[in-house]
Amino acid sequence: NAGVTQTPKFQVLKTGQSMTLQCAQDMNHNSMYWYRQDPGMGLRLIYYSASEGTTDKGEVPNGYNVSRLNKREFSLRLESAAPSQTSVYFCASRAPDSAFNEQFFGPGTRLTVL
Amino acid sequence: QQQVKQSPQSLIVQKGGISIINCAYENTAFDYFPWYQQFPGKGPALLIAIRPDVSEKKEGRFTISFNKSAKQFSLHIMDSQPGDSATYFCAASVGNNRKLIWGLGTSLAVNP
Repeated sequence: NAGVTQTPKFQVLKTGQSMTLQCAQDMNHNSMYWYRQDPGMGLRLIYYSASEGTTDKGEVPNGYNVSRLNKREFSLRLESAAPSQTSVYFCASRAPDSAFNEQFFGPGTRLTVL
Repeated sequence: QQQVKQSPQSLIVQKGGISIINCAYENTAFDYFPWYQQFPGKGPALLIAIRPDVSEKKEGRFTISFNKSAKQFSLHIMDSQPGDSATYFCAASVGNNRKLIWGLGTSLAVNP
């Protein structure tokens, strides 16, 4: 099992460009999450999906859109990138009956917006 | 508003020493308290977790101490090793709520 995979690992964008961050998990998990991590700010939830076909806003959703394509895949789209979106983005998934609410994280995407 | 407050922001410990990281929360409905460990360039990974019906949980060198009346919980790393150098996050959630409320993290450096 690969666990949670994310592509790309690194990306540089110019202000106003768009891009989609891809995330996939092979653990048959229902819940999936997108976080951003900035120095001194911890992990902030952007969007999450409790199950296929459902998505909900997290703490910092402005400037982002998501698609839960199927049970495996959850993508994050930046329609018009801004320098404030420079960050490390993590995707995570959670087991359906996890007794400990454990979230499994991908390796992250480092995004720089110039 | 930070619902889970974590301290210190950074910590330097000598090899063999005890590392202690503290978290405090306000919401008494929280009933699950995990600690995650993150190495540079990697995603966080669950280290240890506790529910409020116990006051302490130990896994190897890592121990969570939980004080329900004070609404505080802490991570103790005994015999700290350079390989423990990482960022540690506390978090909390309610029931089967799928969202975790995260602390801001503590950067731990263990000197050899």
